[in-house]
Amino acid sequence: DIQMTQSPSSLSASVGDRVTITCRASQGIRNDLGWYQQKPGKAPKRLIYGASSLQNGVPSRFSGSGSGTEFTLTISSLQPEDFATYYCLQYNSYPWTFGQGTKVDVK
Amino acid sequence: EVQVVESGGGLVQPGGSLRLSCAASGFTGADKYMTWVRQAPGKGLEWVSTFDSGVSAYYADSVKGRFTISRHNSENTLYLQMNSLRVEDTAVYYCTTKGVWGQGTTVTV
Repeated sequence: DIQMTQSPSSLSASVGDRVTITCRASQGIRNDLGWYQQKPGKAPKRLIYGASSLQNGVPSRFSGSGSGTEFTLTISSLQPEDFATYYCLQYNSYPWTFGQGTKVDVK
Repeated sequence: EVQVVESGGGLVQPGGSLRLSCAASGFTGADKYMTWVRQAPGKGLEWVSTFDSGVSAYYADSVKGRFTISRHNSENTLYLQMNSLRVEDTAVYYCTTKGVWGQGTTVTV
C-alpha cells in the first residue's frame, strides 16, 4: 500500500499569510493526487486534482504542484474562510490513501 | 446543478447490516469512479471502496469481505451493502464522484 505522509499536522497562520502543506508518497504516484478542504461538521471539498489542476469554482489563491513522490498545496494569501483541515489523497493505485490531515488555525 | 445525496445510515447492533445509497444528479456523463469515504468521530478521512469504470470494485482491507459496492448506471446510483458491522465501522459515510461530495450519512454501530 502507498503511504501518504502529510506535514505539518497543524499550523497557525494569519490572514494574508502564504501557507504551504506537503504530502510525500512512499512510492511514485505520477500526478494522481488531489487536495481537499474540510470544515468542522461539513463534507470535504475538492480543491485540486491531478496534482495541479484547480477544481471549478475554487479561488486561484489555491495552487498545487509536484509529481512522483512530493506534492505541495499552497495558499498564496490566507483568507478567513480558509481556516480548515486539509487532506491529500493518492488515487494512483488501490487502496487509495489519504494523508493524515493538516489543521490550519488562527495564529 | 450537480448534486450527490447519500441516504440509508442509522443505528445498528454489532453484526447487523445496512445498505447505503448515493444518488448523483446533474452530471453530464458518468464518472469513471464512484467512491465511498468514511470519517470516524474526531478522525481523518478513510477511503472505503470505489466502483471503477462500471466494472471493477475495490475495497479497503478493513471492510473487504463484509462490504459490497454496486452501481445502477441508468440511475447514476451507487450502493454500499454493509454486513457484519463492527463498532469500528461507526462513521460518517460520504459518497463522491467527479470531485463532488455528498453531505454524508451517519452510521452508528
